[in-house]
Amino acid sequence: GESVGLHLPTLSVQEGDNSIINCAYSNSASDYFIWYKQESGKGPQFIIDIRSNMDKRQGQRVTVLLNKTVKHLSLQIAATQPGDSAVYFCAESGTGSARQLTFGSGTQLTVLP
Amino acid sequence: NAGVTQTPKFRILKIGQSMTLQCAQDMNHNYMYWYRQDPGMGLKLIYYSVGAGITDKGEVPNGYNVSRSTTEDFPLRLELAAPSQTSVYFCASSYGLEETQYFGPGTRLLVL
Repeated sequence: GESVGLHLPTLSVQEGDNSIINCAYSNSASDYFIWYKQESGKGPQFIIDIRSNMDKRQGQRVTVLLNKTVKHLSLQIAATQPGDSAVYFCAESGTGSARQLTFGSGTQLTVLP
Repeated sequence: NAGVTQTPKFRILKIGQSMTLQCAQDMNHNYMYWYRQDPGMGLKLIYYSVGAGITDKGEVPNGYNVSRSTTEDFPLRLELAAPSQTSVYFCASSYGLEETQYFGPGTRLLVL
């Protein structure tokens, strides 16, 4: 079946460095992608989204890149801060009336002092 | 506004007991969802609703029931709790076509 997966389960970066979290998806019909951040003991928090008609979208300190050719999604966090330590999930939304999201298993980002 | 709220935060059930997880949103969202998250895993969709009076199964609906009598509330019912239902349950809502889902803080359920 279709799935959304992440390349690395954990990522450690030095404070102030840039972070890149990767995600592969297999459903070529997916047209909407979302990155969520989940801090320990909390619910997922929306970070940024991108539609399939775009290659890049920027937010505050975050950028999402979409490569439809290789079905790859990445989240870039600039000047990573301790508060960025969390699990990051990518999710895809395909067709269907409820726009159901399929989540990957997550990447644990740890920011080192 | 409070966004998406869930009660209780934590609950221990014995096998065979029943309970209702409450979820409410004050954003006037049409769509509401229930997910479960097992340790170290992503979220799996249990049930969803596209509006009051309309519900449908997600990926893992067995052992659960839902109702949507109002736009604001979307309770999840466990009739006969089983150890396999030990998980963290998240409720979410979205306006609809925008797809962005806003999540509640979760309910941690332990079935012993």
